[in-house]
Amino acid sequence: AQKITQTQPGMFVQEKEAVTLDCTYDTSDPSYGLFWYKQPSSGEMIFLIYQGSYDQQNATEGRYSLNFQKARKSANLVISASQLGDSAMYFCAMRDALLGGATNKLIFGTGTLLAVQP
Amino acid sequence: NAGVTQTPKFQVLKTGQSMTLQCAQDMNHEYMSWYRQDPGMGLRLIHYSVGAGITDQGEVPNGYNVSRSTTEDFPLRLLSAAPSQTSVYFCASRTLAGADETQYFGPGTRLLVL
Repeated sequence: AQKITQTQPGMFVQEKEAVTLDCTYDTSDPSYGLFWYKQPSSGEMIFLIYQGSYDQQNATEGRYSLNFQKARKSANLVISASQLGDSAMYFCAMRDALLGGATNKLIFGTGTLLAVQP
Repeated sequence: NAGVTQTPKFQVLKTGQSMTLQCAQDMNHEYMSWYRQDPGMGLRLIHYSVGAGITDQGEVPNGYNVSRSTTEDFPLRLLSAAPSQTSVYFCASRTLAGADETQYFGPGTRLLVL
């Protein structure tokens, strides 16, 4: 069954250091997309980065990069030079053509709460 | 650039009351959807629409109705609220044209049913 697993309920990182948030996924469909969203304490869901299963290179968006290891079925988010404003809940999500189809349904993990310490 | 907007931000209902959660987007996106977020369960798809006049059920549709009379608006109706519907509700939209798969979320509506 399609599934997203985030094994880190919470993490601490020192300001200005890099941090990796883990995400593994399970799907039998060769065509899928992986997303990371940030949810600060204010509650909104903010899109960070997207990786398609056929993309040859790892996605990057500013300080965010996605470490995509297809054989391991992992899509870890790397945040470089952490800032206090990065403190939030981070969700990994997947859409695949088999499950998503016309629904474009996203399957979400349970999230990782990141706390950036000064 | 408003993106996806939702109203109200907070709502308290009594069991059995009805209400409509509003969602609007100004990006001309064909696809719109509603999710609910519950602790420890992530987000789950309630209903979705691929265009005006077209709606379909998601993973947890019971107790909710939707309609899509325009491209911009996708309201979610609770006909008879139940405490199990206490949750945070998110509306999302995306384009179905091209390769951009990004779903953009609204700010959410926090609903408490007593």
